[in-house]
Amino acid sequence: DVKVTQSSRYLVKRTGEKVFLECVQDMDHENMFWYRQDPGLGLRLIYFSYDVKMKEKGDIPEGYSVSREKKERFSLILESASTNQTSMYLCASSLFPIGRSSYNSPLHFGNGTRLTVT
Amino acid sequence: KQEVTQIPAALSVPEGENLVLNCSFTDSAIYNLQWFRQDPGKGLTSLLLIQSSQREQTSGRLNASLDKSSGRSTLYIAASQPGDSATYLCAVGFTGGGNKLTFGTGTQLKVEL
Repeated sequence: DVKVTQSSRYLVKRTGEKVFLECVQDMDHENMFWYRQDPGLGLRLIYFSYDVKMKEKGDIPEGYSVSREKKERFSLILESASTNQTSMYLCASSLFPIGRSSYNSPLHFGNGTRLTVT
Repeated sequence: KQEVTQIPAALSVPEGENLVLNCSFTDSAIYNLQWFRQDPGKGLTSLLLIQSSQREQTSGRLNASLDKSSGRSTLYIAASQPGDSATYLCAVGFTGGGNKLTFGTGTQLKVEL
């Protein structure tokens, strides 16, 4: 089974702090994603990566950056945390891109990091 | 705009009932559709993935159907159990949407004894 591990379940940070959220997957997946989940808004894509050192912006990249130095690890960085970044952050991975429709490649999620910025 | 909608937002049923969860999407040009389950405070677990060329997928008591022309998918749960209580989300990979899924906001299911 694919395992996606997020380093922290709960984090409390202060406004203005630099915050690192870490995600590791153990199945050699090429594609990794960061989502945030908010009540009433559902899951929204922040950034994704389709290879080492490759990244693309999702729907809500403002205030975030990412790093993928190794295939198994994808980090989300909040450069200067703000209260509106309080949320549940979910990391996911998949073997193939979403658009490669001939392959059965579901998205596998970690357990999430609940971040509170005060 | 490509959107995914799930109605109702919440559903309560007695144990043993067969039930259907609905998902609608605004554009029929899709790669695939996935159904997920989320337990409170946890991540999402993939249940079923339907490719655009398929009409349905089955896993145990779960059956997901896809009708691209009408922009609809249903998740059928047979003989529901209290352990099925969770939030169920559908997500669509739209053609031209890039390497991402667009999620609905989910249906929160409660199966009562």
